[in-house]
Amino acid sequence: QSALTQPASVSGSPGQSITISCTGTSSDVGGYNYVSWYQQHPGKAPKLMIYDVSNRPSGVSNRFSGSKSGNTASLTISGLQAEDEADYYCSSYTSSSTGVVFGGGTKLTVL
Amino acid sequence: QLQLQESGSGLVKPSQTLSLTCAVSGGSISSGGYSWSWIRQPPGKGLEWIGYIYHSGSTYYNPSLKSRVTISVDRSKNQFSLKLSSVTAADTAVYYCARDVDTAHFDYWGQGTLVTVSS
Repeated sequence: QSALTQPASVSGSPGQSITISCTGTSSDVGGYNYVSWYQQHPGKAPKLMIYDVSNRPSGVSNRFSGSKSGNTASLTISGLQAEDEADYYCSSYTSSSTGVVFGGGTKLTVL
Repeated sequence: QLQLQESGSGLVKPSQTLSLTCAVSGGSISSGGYSWSWIRQPPGKGLEWIGYIYHSGSTYYNPSLKSRVTISVDRSKNQFSLKLSSVTAADTAVYYCARDVDTAHFDYWGQGTLVTVSS
């Protein structure tokens, strides 16, 4: 199974909005609404931010939103804050292994 | 509040078997609707799903690791385990255990444990 494709880095200024893309295939992102997004700060475990494409777990800010079109999912963070600076990973169920595939990760820099 | 805690050897020699355990507290590992996963992250790199075990006992593994991986569960101790055989330096990583909800997302994670493969 091949990793999902994410941009290596994105950046934005405080208060702005950014979007991170996650491209897969019809065997994963495009075939199922089982895309999730994780935030990881240095030295910490990943934290679930979005699941099932667009659902937010309890306690996650509504500044985080998810969507999907075809084989590409997206994470949008609005009203950027310094604390949002982190690595972000997408993942999806994949029928190729009846398992999970992750994206390569995107480093978000808040300027 | 569910908590997961990895434990095991932090240093493994090449060609040997890596063994880790994840102790689950604050909930039962036998609860329906969940599976229990191992995920790893080489230093400075991204996340890689290793595999999971369903509450039924069925296991599913990453095809790239399938020949070397075994995940098992000990319900009496409320824990699950990972064994990875024939390790090489490429298996050096932080290993996380996590709970996998029905739609392939991980809502609870352990803190992670670094395993180094070196002679």
